[in-house]
Amino acid sequence: NAGVMQNPRHLVRRRGQEARLRCSPMKGHSHVYWYRQLPEEGLKFMVYLQKENIIDESGMPKERFSAEFPKEGPSILRIQQVVRGDSAAYFCASSPRASASYNEQFFGPGTRLTVL
Amino acid sequence: AQKITQTQPGMFVQEKEAVTLDCTYDTSDQSYGLFWYKQPSSGEMIFLIYQGSYDEQNATEGRYSLNFQKARKSANLVISASQLGDSAMYFCAMIMDTGRRALTFGSGTRLQVQP
Repeated sequence: NAGVMQNPRHLVRRRGQEARLRCSPMKGHSHVYWYRQLPEEGLKFMVYLQKENIIDESGMPKERFSAEFPKEGPSILRIQQVVRGDSAAYFCASSPRASASYNEQFFGPGTRLTVL
Repeated sequence: AQKITQTQPGMFVQEKEAVTLDCTYDTSDQSYGLFWYKQPSSGEMIFLIYQGSYDEQNATEGRYSLNFQKARKSANLVISASQLGDSAMYFCAMIMDTGRRALTFGSGTRLQVQP
């Protein structure tokens, strides 16, 4: 049973380009969470999605960032017109149901985005 | 809103000794879960241990134990018999039963185990 998969593992973009980060949740998991980790900091929540729905995007910047989790295929975090401040590790986590106060989120290995 | 505080940016411990990593949290909710994750230099997030707010016993997982003091709102991680492979960043995190269904992380503690 494969774990949460993220690709690419490393992504380099120049300022102004677009970055697309993919997350394939564990089999049977329909809930996906995206977190961002800036250098030397803890992870910060960005967005929570269920299949075809954005449930909570309160942690995601209003501009340039978008996320989707289509009926078929991986969840995509899209960053348009990247800036140097977007350089970070982006983690995806999945769960079989809405996470509650018990351990149900499983993390992927992360995508390290570097903006030149 | 919930908040996690880790006041130790860095810690050193001798191999084979025990070490305690501090974590305090702030929430007005009664039902929540507390977690510790390890992040080695390779970058992945490794789940270590979990404690529910209604659990009466402190959680233990092998060499890891969680010293849960609910009245003080603290959830310290104790690593016994430290090993060189324990050198990593350690993050405390919390999730609530209501509201945002996402983990809130502390800023982390970098642990270095010395031979």
